Amino acid sequence: DVKVTQSSRYLVKRTGEKVFLECVQDMDHENMFWYRQDPGLGLRLIYFSYDVKMKEKGDIPEGYSVSREKKERFSLILESASTNQTSMYLCASSTGQWGTEAFFGQGTRLTVV
Amino acid sequence: AQKVTQAQTEISVVEKEDVTLDCVYETRDTTYYLFWYKQPPSGELVFLIRRNSFDEQNEISGRYSWNFQKSTSSFNFTITASQVVDSAVYFCALSSSGSARQLTFGSGTQLTVLP
Repeated sequence: DVKVTQSSRYLVKRTGEKVFLECVQDMDHENMFWYRQDPGLGLRLIYFSYDVKMKEKGDIPEGYSVSREKKERFSLILESASTNQTSMYLCASSTGQWGTEAFFGQGTRLTVV
Repeated sequence: AQKVTQAQTEISVVEKEDVTLDCVYETRDTTYYLFWYKQPPSGELVFLIRRNSFDEQNEISGRYSWNFQKSTSSFNFTITASQVVDSAVYFCALSSSGSARQLTFGSGTQLTVLP
């Protein structure tokens, strides 16, 4: 069974903290994505990576960075968490072939207080 | 640029009713893929269907059916004889050749099926 696993289901952090969200996939997929989900806005792409050490900005990269040191792992970093980054974060992966479906993790509900 | 619009924010139906979820997309590309995903209360998005821009054939899978019409830039999703387990948020998404690695999602439709 294919799997995308996010390290935490729920997370509470303080304003100004550095936050790491981890995502691991076991499907040997080339592409990995980080989305943010907010009510009424759907899913918005933060960053994606199509290869190890490669990354590209999505629609809302401000305040975030990413790291992909190994093919199976894609980390989202909030350098200095702010309350407006309170959200649901979803990781996804897909093969390198365009048009294939993405597989999603269960999501991390991050609250910044 | 590409855009997906799901105008229905919330829909509520009674079990066994049919329900159609609307999806309208915008893209300048002639080659693209459309997707539907389901997000149950557990939170994980589940892939339902993919359609490419050259295949306008409608698809039926059990109680689910999809109507793709390029003339109106729509990719609507119908659930026949809805069940309580169909309650979820449904997302339509688009990936165009001009932005090949990105999936753009609509804002989602919350479907509630009442017993």
